[in-house]
Amino acid sequence: QKEVEQNSGPLSVPEGAIASLNCTYSDRGSQSFFWYRQYSGKSPELIMFIYSNGDKEDGRFTAQLNKASQYVSLLIRDSQPSDSATYLCAVNNFGNEKLTFGTGTRLTIIP
Amino acid sequence: EPEVTQTPSHQVTQMGQEVILRCVPISNHLYFYWYRQILGQKVEFLVSFYNNEISEKSEIFDDQFSVERPDGSNFTLKIRSTKLEDSAMYFCASRLRQMINEKLFFGSGTQLSVL
Repeated sequence: QKEVEQNSGPLSVPEGAIASLNCTYSDRGSQSFFWYRQYSGKSPELIMFIYSNGDKEDGRFTAQLNKASQYVSLLIRDSQPSDSATYLCAVNNFGNEKLTFGTGTRLTIIP
Repeated sequence: EPEVTQTPSHQVTQMGQEVILRCVPISNHLYFYWYRQILGQKVEFLVSFYNNEISEKSEIFDDQFSVERPDGSNFTLKIRSTKLEDSAMYFCASRLRQMINEKLFFGSGTQLSVL
């Protein structure tokens, strides 16, 4: 069973601080990794994807990938109340159609 | 930004009834998907569809489920005889290409309640 694991939270972070979200995956063949944000009752919204080891930055967001440790993380700098949501980690094998999602981490930014 | 459109937003049905969930993918997209999310649980892949046929399906997608692209614009998911455990949010998604960095666009979902 190919699994994607996330701490379900809730994770509470003060406004302006860095939020750190983590994800591990079991399938060593996984090749691309995605972070989605999902507000309650809404559809997932892509924040970032990464497929090479190391860091990838996009504005306030940084994704980090370590394939040897089968670990991917998302850092959110200068956290805003609007960042309060559930963050979903998803992985994909190239050539496979499907995304495998984790259960998500609920993040609350405290003003 | 272009949108994937799903109708209805809410569907209530009796156990054993057939339901059809409808989606209009983004017009030039070629790859189409259905995912579902039971309340409080993870988003789960159901099926992918390309070139008018199923390209991959999960164990959830059994004989009670079918998909169709009847007219070149709509993409439908049919559940033949609904069960209580089919109650979930169903998301349609599409993308232009099957490439590693190609964005998957999700629709806003249909909340299916089976009574």
